[in-house]
Amino acid sequence: AQSVAQPEDQVNVAEGNPLTVKCTYSVSGNPYLFWYVQYPNRGLQFLLKYITGDNLVKGSYGFEAEFNKSQTSFHLKKPSALVSDSALYFCAVSPLGTGFQKLVFGTGTRLLVSP
Amino acid sequence: SAVISQKPSRDICQRGTSLTIQCQVDSQVTMMFWYRQQPGQSLTLIATANQGSEATYESGFVIDKFPISRPNLTFSTLTVSNMSPEDSSIYLCSVGQGPRNTEAFFGQGTRLTVV
Repeated sequence: AQSVAQPEDQVNVAEGNPLTVKCTYSVSGNPYLFWYVQYPNRGLQFLLKYITGDNLVKGSYGFEAEFNKSQTSFHLKKPSALVSDSALYFCAVSPLGTGFQKLVFGTGTRLLVSP
Repeated sequence: SAVISQKPSRDICQRGTSLTIQCQVDSQVTMMFWYRQQPGQSLTLIATANQGSEATYESGFVIDKFPISRPNLTFSTLTVSNMSPEDSSIYLCSVGQGPRNTEAFFGQGTRLTVV
């Protein structure tokens, strides 16, 4: 079965510092990986995806993620955190053969950026 | 990206009753999905809403409990039947967008509380 793991329930970072939200995956075949963000009382917003190609993927709001096949990881990063980045972040994988929109989500990581 | 409208945005319902949630998209989409997000947990796929045929349910979800309609390419409904407090969740619809439908976009969700 295809799955993703987010080992941290919460990540705390000071504004202006770099942030990393971790995600590891377990898939058979080539992984299709995604990051989504959920702000309070709002739906999920797409941040970025890895389908194929360059291992460093750039997405919305200055976020990027690095696909590392040897470590089976897809960590989300941002060079300089903003207070407004505080939200719930989900890593997701698209199971092989199901199309890109049918997603299996990780448990989520709450990011808190302090002023 | 597609604009996805869900109604109602929230509701409080009595146990034993049913609630129908509507999802309207501003453009025709091939794939529509329904997810559940239980309190403090991640998203779980309930079913794929197929236009012109019966929905495809994931393991653990059945049509009698979660009947789904998809009368056309822009609209779907999810009914939560014979509700119990355990059905209290956020229910989200999702559609495929972007190049080769590689991005899933979500409605803002329906927050359901069963008392």
